[in-house]
Amino acid sequence: LAKTTQPISMDSYEGQEVNITCSHNNIATNDYITWYQQFPSQGPRFIIQGYKTKVTNEVASLFIPADRKSSTLSLPRVSLSDTAVYYCLVGGGTNAGKSTFGDGTTLTVKP
Amino acid sequence: NAGVTQTPKFRVLKTGQSMTLLCAQDMNHEYMYWYRQDPGMGLRLIHYSVGEGTTAKGEVPDGYNVSRLKKQNFLLGLESAAPSQTSVYFCASRVDRFYEQYFGPGTRLTVT
Repeated sequence: LAKTTQPISMDSYEGQEVNITCSHNNIATNDYITWYQQFPSQGPRFIIQGYKTKVTNEVASLFIPADRKSSTLSLPRVSLSDTAVYYCLVGGGTNAGKSTFGDGTTLTVKP
Repeated sequence: NAGVTQTPKFRVLKTGQSMTLLCAQDMNHEYMYWYRQDPGMGLRLIHYSVGEGTTAKGEVPDGYNVSRLKKQNFLLGLESAAPSQTSVYFCASRVDRFYEQYFGPGTRLTVT
């Protein structure tokens, strides 16, 4: 399973755009890149998933360069409620969908 | 549609006691997973199942057993609890390996 590396923590202010980058040098050909959000005392919640290039949904964008060795989650105009831990996962294409959760990035949004 | 539910929400065990955690999903998902999360850390995969009657080991399977007798249920057992198994346990399910995981609310287990 591919190992992922993310910054331990990030700070931002309300209304700013936040970009969180994940490194996954050993990503396999069949692997997808998925991001989850976790609030304290809750289970993780799916944000976005992609394979290559750019994916956008109503809450975030995911940028994946051609070599797929990294990815960037972009959160537009964050609010206080976006304060959470964000996990980048690589996997899913093989091994019965097993993925490795790293330690995540704790995002703190300040007023 | 309740999604993924976990029973119980909290439990305190003494060392050596046994218990079973129940995960249930009503989304007709094939894949189900059990994770543990220790304070300040990410989730680690304990066991998983790719369909009714199947189970397989994940990253940290020692001290745990699982069963998937019905498609909607995935049980996690601790035969002889140890303090090192104090953690929050999350269950997840998904349609198949290409789609997102849906997580339950977690079970907070303390072993004294």
